[in-house]
Amino acid sequence: AQSVTQLGSHVSVSEGALVLLRCNYSSSVPPYLFWYVQYPNQGLQLLLKYTTGATLVKGINGFEAEFKKSETSFHLTKPSAHMSDAAEYFCAVSDPGSARQLTFGSGTQLTVLP
Amino acid sequence: EPEVTQTPSHQVTQMGQEVILRCVPISNHLYFYWYRQILGQKVEFLVSFYNNEISEKSEIFDDQFSVERPDGSNFTLKIRSTKLEDSAMYFCASSEVGGFGEKLFFGSGTQLSVL
Repeated sequence: AQSVTQLGSHVSVSEGALVLLRCNYSSSVPPYLFWYVQYPNQGLQLLLKYTTGATLVKGINGFEAEFKKSETSFHLTKPSAHMSDAAEYFCAVSDPGSARQLTFGSGTQLTVLP
Repeated sequence: EPEVTQTPSHQVTQMGQEVILRCVPISNHLYFYWYRQILGQKVEFLVSFYNNEISEKSEIFDDQFSVERPDGSNFTLKIRSTKLEDSAMYFCASSEVGGFGEKLFFGSGTQLSVL
């Protein structure tokens, strides 16, 4: 069975500082990995995804993530935080036994301090 | 960008009552999903739906739950007799095609409170 662990349920950074949100997964087969963002009172929005190919994936709003198989990680980064980045971020992995299912992490609430 | 629309945004019901949560997926999408998030817990998969039938369902999706696409635009989740533990945020999602790595578009959710 798939599982996803997000370290840190709350992360605070100053505006302009590096954002690093951690995600580790467990999977018996090569996974497909996703980061979703949820702004207040909105649905989950796909930031980026890794399926195959280049392990460094660039997404929307300046975010990127790197798939590291040896570390079973897919950490999300952004070089310079903006106030508008404040939201909840979810890492998810596709279930190889079911192409239509996503298994989500517990989420990380990002706060950006002025 | 096209959106998945969910109504109502909040639903309060008494234990044992039936509720229907409604979703309008993106118009050219063919795959539909329901997920839920109990407060403080992870977002969990409930069910996927394609070609007017359930493709897959989780162990959460028991006989109390059903889904339907009653017309060409709506996709509904019915809970037949609600329990306190059904209180959660319910998310509808849709995708253009199915398969690994497919982008899901999520609605903003319906917060269900069972009293």
